[in-house]
Amino acid sequence: AQTVTQSQPEMSVQEAETVTLSCTYDTSESDYYLFWYKQPPSRQMILVIRQEAYKQQNATENRFSVNFQKAAKSFSLKISDSQLGDAAMYFCAYSDLISSGSARQLTFGSGTQLTVLP
Amino acid sequence: DAGITQSPRHKVTETGTPVTLRCHQTENHRYMYWYRQDPGHGLRLIHYSYGVKDTDKGEVSDGYSVSRSKTEDFLLTLESATSSQTSVYFCAIRGDTSDHNEQFFGPGTRLTVL
Repeated sequence: AQTVTQSQPEMSVQEAETVTLSCTYDTSESDYYLFWYKQPPSRQMILVIRQEAYKQQNATENRFSVNFQKAAKSFSLKISDSQLGDAAMYFCAYSDLISSGSARQLTFGSGTQLTVLP
Repeated sequence: DAGITQSPRHKVTETGTPVTLRCHQTENHRYMYWYRQDPGHGLRLIHYSYGVKDTDKGEVSDGYSVSRSKTEDFLLTLESATSSQTSVYFCAIRGDTSDHNEQFFGPGTRLTVL
């Protein structure tokens, strides 16, 4: 079974600074998806960024980017120019890339609580 | 935003009582999921559905059952609630043609079992 590990339960960053959240995963598959979800105090789960394992280029979405190291099974999230609205719980998630008839469930890490300091 | 609603949004119940949570979608998506969120565990899959009347178990299915009689509704039932089922429950949906396997989540239901 796949596992996802987030070893930083809490992190903090100064407003306008850069912070990196870590995620490692374990899988025997060669093709898969990785995601970062954000959960603000409203509890809503919001997709931040996704990465297809077969793509070597790291995904980027505005101030959010990933460092995907396939051999090391590492998938970190970098938030640049941190804003107060970035304060949230961040979850790393993994999904197999198998047939369209499969469940393709998400396997989540335990989350990192990010605090942004003014 | 994907059209997903969950009801109720909050519920307090007593041990041993049955509880049903409802997930409703307006996207006509084939796949629907129930997750629970607990501190230190992230979200864990309870059950999922891949079509009307087609369901299967997830990682933490003990004590839960599900039903899907219509595409738009996916019900999660706790036959006899226990305190260990106090949690936040999320429903998610995914389209059959979702190449990126993106799942869209509902707002969550906070369930407290006393």
